Amino acid sequence: ETGVTQTPRHLVMGMTNKKSLKCEQHLGHNAMYWYKQSAKKPLELMFVYSLEERVENNSVPSRFSPECPNSSHLFLHLHTLQPEDSALYLCASGAGTTSYNEQFFGPGTRLTVL
Amino acid sequence: GESVGLHLPTLSVQEGDNSIINCAYSNSASDYFIWYKQESGKGPQFIIDIRSNMDKRQGQRVTVLLNKTVKHLSLQIAATQPGDSAVYFCAEIPPVLQGGKLIFGQGTELSVKP
Repeated sequence: ETGVTQTPRHLVMGMTNKKSLKCEQHLGHNAMYWYKQSAKKPLELMFVYSLEERVENNSVPSRFSPECPNSSHLFLHLHTLQPEDSALYLCASGAGTTSYNEQFFGPGTRLTVL
Repeated sequence: GESVGLHLPTLSVQEGDNSIINCAYSNSASDYFIWYKQESGKGPQFIIDIRSNMDKRQGQRVTVLLNKTVKHLSLQIAATQPGDSAVYFCAEIPPVLQGGKLIFGQGTELSVKP
């Protein structure tokens, strides 16, 4: 158990749907991350939050909207997605925002956009 | 841009043999490297790390070697077991002034034959 949980584990949605991914960490960390993992591509960093403030947005399309209400919870709101957005979305947490701090990953949400 | 790549996308070994997974990185200024293991249906899990001022670091059954001259990183797994079957990612961290965030390689799939 990594201490980072994600729900749902699997999600199928149409391009006109609105859905949200949830991440929760029980490790007392103050930094949280969203990554996208597509087949045959490296993990791509999407967003970084430190103490509930967004500190990085890696040119992610606006159809992905993150929210961090507190240091334990992170959401990724999805709307009008495209089929190419189908991927595994991973959440991670760490003690700080520098990558020298070990990041603990959740199991991911497998997203399919029809 | 800078990238981290792996020489072999797949590796099949016999149980009990030693495994070597290689990684090439291109940013000579990167000063921290991490190996992650990702089992099917799970998020990446930290295995071992190494700083650029070291050329070797050992963990439990794993050893990471860093050759800065040729910008090469390797992960050695001793007495490979079926539970070692997974995708292994190397990741580098450029200096803070160059982003300072984890850059992942594509991954090598390790398959252990009983």
